[in-house]
Amino acid sequence: AQSVTQLGSHVSVSEGALVLLRCNYSSSVPPYLFWYVQYPNQGLQLLLKYTSAATLVKGINGFEAEFKKSETSFHLTKPSAHMSDAAEYFCAVRPMNTGFQKLVFGTGTRLLVSP
Amino acid sequence: NAGVMQNPRHLVRRRGQEARLRCSPMKGHSHVYWYRQLPEEGLKFMVYLQKENIIDESGMPKERFSAEFPKEGPSILRIQQVVRGDSAAYFCASSPTPGRGLTDTQYFGPGTRLTVL
Repeated sequence: AQSVTQLGSHVSVSEGALVLLRCNYSSSVPPYLFWYVQYPNQGLQLLLKYTSAATLVKGINGFEAEFKKSETSFHLTKPSAHMSDAAEYFCAVRPMNTGFQKLVFGTGTRLLVSP
Repeated sequence: NAGVMQNPRHLVRRRGQEARLRCSPMKGHSHVYWYRQLPEEGLKFMVYLQKENIIDESGMPKERFSAEFPKEGPSILRIQQVVRGDSAAYFCASSPTPGRGLTDTQYFGPGTRLTVL
């Protein structure tokens, strides 16, 4: 079975500060991992995904995430926050090399950016 | 290339009525997924369909909920005799034909926000 834990339902940063959103996963088989962003009253947009090609994954809008198997983590970072980054961020997992297609999501982290 | 389309965007129903939510996948995508997002929670998988087939419905409530993806037309998520607890955002996602070990990304629609009075 797969599960995702996102530590911190809310994270507040100042504009220009480092963004760090935490995601830990549990999976009985090698996972695919995803980060999605959701702006208010909108659907989810894919930020980046880990598919075993490289442990450091770069995404859109300056975000990146590093897959660390030893820590079962896939934390999302951005060196300098922008006001437009304020949104809800979801980490999701799907098992690799299986026929199971459904994504298992974490409960989300709301990023607040202050001027 | 239009993205995943869902309609209506907002739907209000009274208890006991039926709700029909529609999803048109991205062009070239033949697989559809439905997820439900309750207030202040993450998305929960409901059902995975391909044209004329339900592949995985392990997340669907046993009663009142059904889904279909006909050969022609959009996918439909149907909720009969709605109750207040059905109030949520329902998201549809689509992907190209997946296979074992492939990493096909699921692309999400804007969601339908269902309010049950």
